[in-house]
Amino acid sequence: SQTIHQWPATLVQPVGSPLSLECTVEGTSNPNLYWYRQAAGRGLQLLFYSVGIGQISSEVPQNLSASRPQDRQFILSSKKLLLSDSGFYLCAWSGTLMGEQYFGPGTRLTVT
Amino acid sequence: DAKTTQPPSMDCAEGRAANLPCNHSTISGNEYVYWYRQIHSQGPQYIIHGLKNNETNEMASLIITEDRKSSTLILPHATLRDTAVYYCIGEACSGTYKYIFGTGTRLKVLA
Repeated sequence: SQTIHQWPATLVQPVGSPLSLECTVEGTSNPNLYWYRQAAGRGLQLLFYSVGIGQISSEVPQNLSASRPQDRQFILSSKKLLLSDSGFYLCAWSGTLMGEQYFGPGTRLTVT
Repeated sequence: DAKTTQPPSMDCAEGRAANLPCNHSTISGNEYVYWYRQIHSQGPQYIIHGLKNNETNEMASLIITEDRKSSTLILPHATLRDTAVYYCIGEACSGTYKYIFGTGTRLKVLA
C-alpha cells in the first residue's frame, strides 16, 4: 500500500531563516505531488505541484520554492522566512493529475 | 474552474444521517466533484468523487443532481469520529491544474 511521509511534524523558525520541508511517498511510481499551505482557520491553498522529476508548477507567487529531485521526493524550501509563512504545510500525492489526492500528516510551521 | 459553495457549519445527532450540501453551479460537463474531510490537526482525507451518477463507497454516498449544479454527501450513520471539516471540490479541466479547497462545512456530530 502507499504511504506518504512528511517531516518534521512541527517546526519553529525565526524570521529570515531558511526552510526545508521534505515529503516522500512509498508504494507507487511516478506520482503527482502537491504542496499545500493552510493558515489558521482557513482552507487549503495549493502552492506547488509536480507531474515528474524536475517539473514544478507554481500556483501562487511567494518566497517559497519547490523541488523534486527524485520520483517520490518533494521538497519545499525558502531562503528567508516571513511571519506570513506560518501555517500547516501539507504534502499530497495522486495517481492522476486530477484524481483523488492522499495527504501526509503535515508540518506545523511557526515563524517567530 | 468550478467554484463550490457550502454552508459553514452543521450539527448532526450521533447515529443519524448527515447530509452535507454543496452548490457547484459553474461546473462543466466533464468536471468531477470530489469530497474530502479534515479532522482537526490532520491532513485531509479523500472520501468520494463522482461525475454524473450517484456513487457509494464504504465511507459515504454522493448524490449529484441531474443538472449537476449541486450535490449532497451523505454519511448514513454519523459517529462522533465523523466530526470534521468537509470540503466539496469541483475540478477544472481547462488545460491547467486547478483543485480549490474552500473553507468547507464544519460538521459537529452530537452525542
